[in-house]
Amino acid sequence: GAVVSQHPSWVICKSGTSVKIECRSLDFQATTMFWYRQFPKKSLMLMATSNEGSKATYEQGVEKDKFLINHASLTLSTLTVTSAHPEDSSFYICSARGTDNTGELFFGEGSRLTVL
Amino acid sequence: ELKVEQNPLFLSMQEGKNYTIYCNYSTTSDRLYWYRQDPGKSLESLFVLLSNGAVKQEGRLMASLDTKARLSTLHITAAVHDLSATYFCAVDLGWGGGADGLTFGKGTHLIIQP
Repeated sequence: GAVVSQHPSWVICKSGTSVKIECRSLDFQATTMFWYRQFPKKSLMLMATSNEGSKATYEQGVEKDKFLINHASLTLSTLTVTSAHPEDSSFYICSARGTDNTGELFFGEGSRLTVL
Repeated sequence: ELKVEQNPLFLSMQEGKNYTIYCNYSTTSDRLYWYRQDPGKSLESLFVLLSNGAVKQEGRLMASLDTKARLSTLHITAAVHDLSATYFCAVDLGWGGGADGLTFGKGTHLIIQP
């Protein structure tokens, strides 16, 4: 199957700083990528849809100015958590659709953010 | 608004037993996925169900999809400890346009005891 890679796998930062997480499709091009957030022992919640070359589409309740998404190329989307606070601590997972006829979504390894 | 409900949310069972996890959803869809998640890890794809009546099996796991009933099941046969994990179903409304992400159930936390 297709491979989606995230970096970093985990990050610890101080409150008030910004953190960037990268999501790359390694062996296919992805015009659309999705960013999810998962709190401990909870399910995945879709935050936003990242569209190559255009603005991201955010789900209701997700702050656009706090979670900046850039999809500059067909293989890279970035999520920047700006002015992070402890409540932003979470597991962030990206995904992208493969290019075969199943349309299956493939998930990155996830990035665990801890804000002190 | 699409709602995806999994049942049960927590399951503890002994090795060797059989059990079924249920996934109901509220909007017509013919695409449903099952994922496994181990603690601290991302999602591992188990099954992709693409049509009504689809049935897929891998080892001790078997998944099925009934789009008319809006129901998918994940059946575990003769459970072994290694199957302990959290299992998620997810409904896909985005195929075709590709613009929508998946909607996940809350997950079933499965513990299999020796």
